[in-house]
Amino acid sequence: NAGVMQNPRHLVRRRGQEARLRCSPMKGHSHVYWYRQLPEEGLKFMVYLQKENIIDESGMPKERFSAEFPKEGPSILRIQQVVRGDSAAYFCASSRAVSYNEQFFGPGTRLTVL
Amino acid sequence: AQTVTQSQPEMSVQEAETVTLSCTYDTSESDYYLFWYKQPPSRQMILVIRQEAYKQQNATENRFSVNFQKAAKSFSLKISDSQLGDAAMYFCAYRPNSGGSNYKLTFGKGTLLTVNP
Repeated sequence: NAGVMQNPRHLVRRRGQEARLRCSPMKGHSHVYWYRQLPEEGLKFMVYLQKENIIDESGMPKERFSAEFPKEGPSILRIQQVVRGDSAAYFCASSRAVSYNEQFFGPGTRLTVL
Repeated sequence: AQTVTQSQPEMSVQEAETVTLSCTYDTSESDYYLFWYKQPPSRQMILVIRQEAYKQQNATENRFSVNFQKAAKSFSLKISDSQLGDAAMYFCAYRPNSGGSNYKLTFGKGTLLTVNP
């Protein structure tokens, strides 16, 4: 059973460009969570999605950031017009249901903004 | 709001020795989960151990055990017989088990563990 897949593992963008991060949850998992890890910090919750629904986006900046989890395909975290402060590791986690107490994490995408 | 504090930015231990990593948290909830995650240089987040707050017995997973003190809101991780592969960043995390945010993990800033041969 493949784990949570994220790609790309490393992404370099220039200021003003768009970054698209993809996450494929584990098989049978319909709940996806995105977290951001800034340098020297722990992971911070950004958004929680179920298939075709955003459940909680309270941790996501109001501007330039968006997330989706379509019926088919991976979850996408999209950052428009990136700035240097967006440089971070972005982790995706998935779970079978909220009531399950474990979220399985992907390997993360390291975004560097030049 | 819940907070998780790891007061030791760095720790070191000799191979085969025992080390304890500290974690305290703040919450008004009575039903919650606590976790320790390991993040090696590969950056992959690996669940080490979890504790359910309503269980008084401390969780144990092979060489890893916790000391859960609910009244003190303390959740330390003990690693026995430390191995070189235990070297990593360790994060303590909290998740409520009820209410509208029972999916949201709150992490501490981490403790970097070095294992000396």
